Amino acid sequence: AQSVTQLDSHVSVSEGTPVLLRCNYSSSYSPSLFWYVQHPNKGLQLLLKYTSAATLVKGINGFEAEFKKSETSFHLTKPSAHMSDAAEYFCVVSGPSPGGSYIPTFGRGTSLIVHP
Amino acid sequence: EAQVTQNPRYLITVTGKKLTVTCSQNMNHEYMSWYRQDPGLGLRQIYYSMNVEVTDKGDVPEGYKVSRKEKRNFPLILESPSPNQTSLYFCASRASLSSYNEQFFGPGTRLTVL
Repeated sequence: AQSVTQLDSHVSVSEGTPVLLRCNYSSSYSPSLFWYVQHPNKGLQLLLKYTSAATLVKGINGFEAEFKKSETSFHLTKPSAHMSDAAEYFCVVSGPSPGGSYIPTFGRGTSLIVHP
Repeated sequence: EAQVTQNPRYLITVTGKKLTVTCSQNMNHEYMSWYRQDPGLGLRQIYYSMNVEVTDKGDVPEGYKVSRKEKRNFPLILESPSPNQTSLYFCASRASLSSYNEQFFGPGTRLTVL
C-alpha cells in the first residue's frame, strides 16, 4: 500500500522569498515520486520526478526537490518565488500495487499564494 | 505536438442523460487513465487501461464506464449522471506501466449535473 500526505493545504509567500512545499509518503516498495503543478483552469504539468537516481532532483522553473528516504519526504523548494508560481501543487507517489499495475496516488494538493 | 485532448471542455447536463467525454493521445502511450478532481480531495483515479481492451477500476469507479478499443482513445461514459458526479475530470496517459514514467494530462472537462 502507498499513501502521500501534503502537510499544508495553503502556503503563502512574498515574491522573492523562498518556497517550501512539504510532502511525506508511505510505500512498501521503492517508489517513484513526482511533483505536478496546476495553474488556474489548466491541466497538470510535470515539475520534476525522482526515480531512484540522484536524491536531489532539479525541475523546471527553478524548482527542486530532495528525496530523503530516512524521513520518507520529498519536499519541493524554490529559492525565490515569482508571481507566476501561484498555482496548485500535487505530490504523487507511484509504486507497484499488489496486482503490479503501478497506480499513482496523489496528495490533496497545496495551494501556493504569492504576494507582491 | 505531443498532447492529450479532451472534449468537451465544459458540459452542463441533467440527471439521467447519458454522456460521453472523449480522450485522445497522440504519443502511442500504452497506459491511459481518468481522474476526477474535487476541492480538498486532490485527484482520484476512476478507471485506467493498460492497453487495448484491458481496463480496470481505480479508486472511485461507481457510476462510470470506459472502453479502450483503440490505443489512442479512452472515452469516459456516464450512463446515468447524478449531481454527485459534478466535478472536474482529467484524462492522462503515460508510456507504460513503469513507475518511472510521468503522466501527461489533458486540459480537463468541467462537468455540471443538474
